Amino acid sequence: NAGVTQTPKFQVLKTGQSMTLQCAQDMNHNSMYWYRQDPGMGLRLIYYSASEGTTDKGEVPNGYNVSRLNKREFSLRLESAAPSQTSVYFCASSENPAGNYGYTFGSGTRLTVV
Amino acid sequence: AQSVAQPEDQVNVAEGNPLTVKCTYSVSGNPYLFWYVQYPNRGLQFLLKYITGDNLVKGSYGFEAEFNKSQTSFHLKKPSALVSDSALYFCAVRDTGRRALTFGSGTRLQVQP
Repeated sequence: NAGVTQTPKFQVLKTGQSMTLQCAQDMNHNSMYWYRQDPGMGLRLIYYSASEGTTDKGEVPNGYNVSRLNKREFSLRLESAAPSQTSVYFCASSENPAGNYGYTFGSGTRLTVV
Repeated sequence: AQSVAQPEDQVNVAEGNPLTVKCTYSVSGNPYLFWYVQYPNRGLQFLLKYITGDNLVKGSYGFEAEFNKSQTSFHLKKPSALVSDSALYFCAVRDTGRRALTFGSGTRLQVQP
């Protein structure tokens, strides 16, 4: 099925550990995004990649890094996890930066940092 | 800066009654407006959008939204609610000069049988 695939679906980390969240899309979309979802705060943009080879900071980039590995894949890395990074992380993609046809979202990664 | 507000954390409505989920926005240019729905343990699904044209936009599952430029609002509506419409709804906006959507805090819709 075409769409956005995120791995893993669940993860528990200890404070200070590192990990990479993987995201891949098979719709030939140019733009990809990472959001985090917290209760009462909606979705907040962490980083985005308007096109292959470019990445830009969003609203809450501190503590995260990203890599646009190729057109299909956009990974999010936590170098030293903190409890404040406990959240549900969503990857999304769109045909172009304008996103006029809407975003396609993955099913999310639920991350707990203890 | 672009922003969007959803003033209601939760909306309760009886099945068969009309529903409205409110959204107001702030942008410096022309707005691109979207509604998404999230079911439990799922990602967000696109419902409808307003880019330009008619102020009343029709989308998936019988939902529609009305763009009101003077009130900077984009309320989501449905004439007759279903229990299966119960979910979390997000309004989102993009300014013409920006490259990513800004989402509201979400409104939980509860439709009672």
